[in-house]
Amino acid sequence: AQKVTQAQTEISVVEKEDVTLDCVYETRDTTYYLFWYKQPPSGELVFLIRRNSFAEQNELSGRYSWNFQKSTSSFNFTITASQVVDSAVYFCALRTILIQGAQKLVFGQGTRLTINP
Amino acid sequence: DVKVTQSSRYLVKRTGEKVFLECVQDMDHENMFWYRQDPGLGLRLIYFSYDVKMKEKGDIPEGYSVSREKKERFSLILESASTNQTSMYLCASSLGASGGAPHEQYFGPGTRLTVT
Repeated sequence: AQKVTQAQTEISVVEKEDVTLDCVYETRDTTYYLFWYKQPPSGELVFLIRRNSFAEQNELSGRYSWNFQKSTSSFNFTITASQVVDSAVYFCALRTILIQGAQKLVFGQGTRLTINP
Repeated sequence: DVKVTQSSRYLVKRTGEKVFLECVQDMDHENMFWYRQDPGLGLRLIYFSYDVKMKEKGDIPEGYSVSREKKERFSLILESASTNQTSMYLCASSLGASGGAPHEQYFGPGTRLTVT
């Protein structure tokens, strides 16, 4: 079964602290894709990153970085020097394939991140 | 710029009413999806469509139906609204499969539905 677990329901840190959001997944697929989305207070989910299971290097984008560990089935997300604008709910998701090639995303429960000034 | 719009941000309906939630995308995407979002449960797929007039059930289709008469529009219908359908409803769209990496889904702003 495909499953994504985000064990941290809520995290609260002070601005400029580093923070890591955990994501653990389960899949029987040998090739798979993982996603992170951000949901700010406006409600619209914003795509952050897509990662395939066979890439070697970890991802880095400005203050954001992602650590993919196949051995522990984890795809953790770190924000360095957090800012108030990073406050949002963050979702990790795993891609499965539906019929006609439509991509289904299995989402974790989400982590609400609050950055306090 | 990519755009998915939903007809209402907030909606209040009475138990037993028929409810229509509309979603429109302007990206010529083949795939469209309806999710509901509940605290502690994340997003769960209700229905999806991979082409006009084509629809498939997701994980929690009970109590819902959908309609896709035009490529850009995907409607979610609650035949007889119940209080347990109070939730945030999110529409998404994506390009169809191309044999390569999956395309990301683009989401609308959501409709917060309250059934009283």
